Parts: sequence; C-alpha cells; structure tokens
Amino acid sequence: GENVEQHPSTLSVQEGDSAVIKCTYSDSASNYFPWYKQELGKRPQLIIDIRSNVGEKKDQRIAVTLNKTAKHFSLHITETQPEDSAVYFCAAPRSGRGSTLGRLYFGRGTQLTVWP
Amino acid sequence: NAGVMQNPRHLVRRRGQEARLRCSPMKGHSHVYWYRQLPEEGLKFMVYLQKENIIDESGMPKERFSAEFPKEGPSILRIQQVVRGDSAAYFCASSPGPGTEAFFGQGTRLTVV
Repeated sequence: GENVEQHPSTLSVQEGDSAVIKCTYSDSASNYFPWYKQELGKRPQLIIDIRSNVGEKKDQRIAVTLNKTAKHFSLHITETQPEDSAVYFCAAPRSGRGSTLGRLYFGRGTQLTVWP
Repeated sequence: NAGVMQNPRHLVRRRGQEARLRCSPMKGHSHVYWYRQLPEEGLKFMVYLQKENIIDESGMPKERFSAEFPKEGPSILRIQQVVRGDSAAYFCASSPGPGTEAFFGQGTRLTVV
C-alpha cells in the first residue's frame, strides 16, 4: 500500500517569510495529492490539490509542486501571515477495492507557526 | 449546503460502554469515509461506505468496531465495549463520487474514562 512521509514535523517562520513542507510517497500509481490545513480543534480543510498530469499549481499565496519521478510533492506558502499557523497534512490515495479520492493515506502533519 | 454534519461533537463514555457516532454527508454526496485521529497524529482511514454498502473496511479494527450507511439516515460508526485507547477524534468525510475530493465534518471527540 501507499506510504506517505512528511517533513518537517514543526516549522517556525517570521511573518512575511516563505514556508515549505515536503512529502514523499511510495505508490507510483498515485495520481492525486491534496493538502489539508487543520486549526486546533477543527476539521481538516482542503486548501489545494494537484493531479499527476501537472507539475505545479498555484492559488494566491499557496502553491504545490509535484515530482513524479522522485515521488515527492511540496507545499509552498509565500508571504506567511499569523493566521497561516496550523497543522498541515499531505495525503495520497490508498489503492485497493473501489478507487476513490476520498480514501487517503495522510502524512503525520507539520505544525506551522508564523511569528508576527 | 450545510456541509458534513457530525454529532455529537463531544462524547464521553465509560470503559465497556458503547459509542455511536453519526455522520450526515453533504447533500448529493453518496460516498462516506470515516477517519480516526489520535492526539498529535495524522488521520488514519477506517472505512469507506456507499449507501447500504461497505466498500472498504481495511482500516477498521477487527473487533468492536462497525459502520453502516443505511438507505435513509446518517452513517453510523459504532464502537462496542470502549477502552481508553479508543479516545480520539473521529472524522467523517463525504464526496459525490469516487473521482472528486472529500470534505470533512467537524469531528466527534470521544473520551473514554
């Protein structure tokens, strides 16, 4: 099955700096890579995702890059703000019966702290 | 659209009792997924259901845990004879189909005392 590794586990940056979180996956058949943001005590929220037919996707201050050859994908947040502070999770689909984008392996998460 | 609704938000059970967690998917969504999140860890897939069918329960513990998604009503995750190790946040997600992303509910935080 899929194995998703996420680094770093904690990340502290100054407001305005950039933050980068990296994930690797093992299943070369994986074709969908979402990123979730989870604030303390709240639900995971999908912030951006990328499919395997593109190498990069941007949405305002957030971007995700995908390297299929190396089997890794990264989340980039530019011009960070204190409200970006949260735990960020990467994920990749599980293989098996009933292919679906909702059945995911999650990384262990990165606690991002943005200092004002 | 009210989003994925889970209840209760918080549930306290004594060891040996049963816990029932409910999930109403978003309108138009027929695919439901349950995840468990232990403190300071990522989410772990438990079970994937469609109406009246369990599609994949490979992440469910073999004993005490069961899930259903009846034709009418919410999906239910049932934990029998709870133990302290069952204390966690349980999240439900739903999607309209297999090729679209899933959206999470607010979760049920189960505490076993």
